[in-house]
Amino acid sequence: DSGVTQTPKHLITATGQRVTLRCSPRSGDLSVYWYQQSLDQGLQFLIQYYNGEERAKGNILERFSAQQFPDLHSELNLSSLELGDSALYFCASSVGAWGEQYFGPGTRLTVT
Amino acid sequence: AQSVTQLGSHVSVSEGALVLLRCNYSSSVPPYLFWYVQYPNQGLQLLLKYTSAATLVKGINGFEAEFKKSETSFHLTKPSAHMSDAAEYFCAVSNYGGSQGNLIFGKGTKLSVKP
Repeated sequence: DSGVTQTPKHLITATGQRVTLRCSPRSGDLSVYWYQQSLDQGLQFLIQYYNGEERAKGNILERFSAQQFPDLHSELNLSSLELGDSALYFCASSVGAWGEQYFGPGTRLTVT
Repeated sequence: AQSVTQLGSHVSVSEGALVLLRCNYSSSVPPYLFWYVQYPNQGLQLLLKYTSAATLVKGINGFEAEFKKSETSFHLTKPSAHMSDAAEYFCAVSNYGGSQGNLIFGKGTKLSVKP
């Protein structure tokens, strides 16, 4: 158990819909990262938050957004969903703005 | 830009044999390097990390990796494979102190262990 929690574990939704994925980092960690894992793209970095502020952006689509709240939990919002958005979404956390990251169990999103 | 190449998408070894998973990196700044393991339907677990201290790094479950700057490599080894080592392994690079703290992953190597 890494100490990072993600909900829900599974999500099945239809194209065009909007979903919210939730992540709670390890106690004491200030950074939260979101990654997408798919068979064709592998593990892709989406976005990083550090102590409530957006720090870095990766290959995140404009239809996707995220935020980190004062209690440091984070949410990833995915809208206008397409079939190709079906993937595993991981949250990870680290103590500082860099360094080793600890991953949650992931949310498996299926868009039908 | 940083990148990671993992040679071999699938590696198969016999139980008790040496495990060698290859990773080469590209980085214009001194890298931080990591190996993660992913068991089916689970998240990624940190196996070990290199952060510019000792070049030979020991991790969990008997794994170790050696940082070789001249070869830009960070190969993962284990002297004797166990059935429980069957999983997918990811090498990742990051840089310390930069504007981004994210990890850049290789495509992964799936390790099979035959009895």
